[in-house]
Amino acid sequence: DVKVTQSSRYLVKRTGEKVFLECVQDMDHENMFWYRQDPGLGLRLIYFSYDVKMKEKGDIPEGYSVSREKKERFSLILESASTNQTSMYLCASLGGPLAGAKSTDTQYFGPGTRLTVL
Amino acid sequence: GQSLEQPSEVTAVEGAIVQINCTYQTSGFYGLSWYQQHDGGAPTFLSYNGLDGLEETGRFSSFLSRSDSYGYLLLQELQMKDSASYFCAVSLNTNAGKSTFGDGTTLTVKP
Repeated sequence: DVKVTQSSRYLVKRTGEKVFLECVQDMDHENMFWYRQDPGLGLRLIYFSYDVKMKEKGDIPEGYSVSREKKERFSLILESASTNQTSMYLCASLGGPLAGAKSTDTQYFGPGTRLTVL
Repeated sequence: GQSLEQPSEVTAVEGAIVQINCTYQTSGFYGLSWYQQHDGGAPTFLSYNGLDGLEETGRFSSFLSRSDSYGYLLLQELQMKDSASYFCAVSLNTNAGKSTFGDGTTLTVKP
């Protein structure tokens, strides 16, 4: 079974703090993603990475950065947290199909980190 | 830009059949996926269409018409546990596997 884990389920930070969200996958996937999810807005892509040390901006990268030093780990960094970054953050990795599935584009999601910035 | 349209809410009764539509307008298209997300949980993969036609997986089926930029998820024999949000997602034809998600459809199944 593919496992994607995130460092925290709930996090409370203060405005201006530097915040690190960690994501680890155990399936040797090359592609990893960070999304944020807000009510009524679906999943919005922040950054993604297709290889170690490679990263690309998604649709809403402002205020965020990422780090991919090892294949299994993809970190999201909020350099100076702001209240409008209060959200649910979801990490995903992309890999081959589950047994019986037909997709090579299955994204496996972590449990999410609910971040509150005060 | 990329846009996906799906209804925001659908309500149905146990045992019924429900169809959730998704229309998309994207630059590049590789395939259409569907994900289910229960309240407080993470999205989980349900189905994928890379080619036109119907894909069936148990009670769930998904359909794609690339010429119409349209797909749907069909849920049969609805159960209470099917109450969740359902997202369609378009995989763009890049080798990075980037996808764009719709805003989700909240399905409520009533007894």
